Amino acid sequence: AQSVSQHNHHVILSEAASLELGCNYSYGGTVNLFWYVQYPGQHLQLLLKYFSGDPLVKGIKGFEAEFIKSKFSFNLRKPSVQWSDTAEYFCAVKRDSSASKIIFGSGTRLSIRP
Amino acid sequence: GAVVSQHPSWVICKSGTSVKIECRSLDFQATTMFWYRQFPKQSLMLMATSNEGSKATYEQGVEKDKFLINHASLTLSTLTVTSAHPEDSSFYICSGTGRSSYEQYFGPGTRLTVT
Repeated sequence: AQSVSQHNHHVILSEAASLELGCNYSYGGTVNLFWYVQYPGQHLQLLLKYFSGDPLVKGIKGFEAEFIKSKFSFNLRKPSVQWSDTAEYFCAVKRDSSASKIIFGSGTRLSIRP
Repeated sequence: GAVVSQHPSWVICKSGTSVKIECRSLDFQATTMFWYRQFPKQSLMLMATSNEGSKATYEQGVEKDKFLINHASLTLSTLTVTSAHPEDSSFYICSGTGRSSYEQYFGPGTRLTVT
């Protein structure tokens, strides 16, 4: 069965700092990969997704992620964070099948100091 | 993207009663729906997967007699928490995927508080 690991539980940065959140998955087959964000008191929003093609994926709000198949990784990056990026970030993986379930990582809480 | 709604958004019920949560796909036909629960400051845990017209498949450790899932149509799935207890208090989130879609669309969630 697939699983997702997010090693950073809580990250604290100052505004304008660069961000990289780690995500590793375990599954030997073809996968779809996602990053979701959950702002305080709000529901999940999709930041970006990888299905196939260019391993560097650009999402909303200046976020991007790179799929490195050999490392089973899908790290999230942003060159310059803002206070409004304070949220919980979830990496998720799904087997490459339309009806297969999404498995979420434990989440990373990002706190940005103004 | 496609829209999934949940009703109610917040419900408070007394211990021992049952509560039903609805999940609707508003602009697509959800052949498969998923139900998650999220405890405060924790990740989403998949509870069950349901295909329209079939019995739900529950994840290990989830009581199927306590969390009744019905997916009778392509736009509606319901989760009924039977004989609710305070430990069932949580945030319940549904998602749906269409017949040819590889992406899941998430609802806004329902906060259940059992007193």
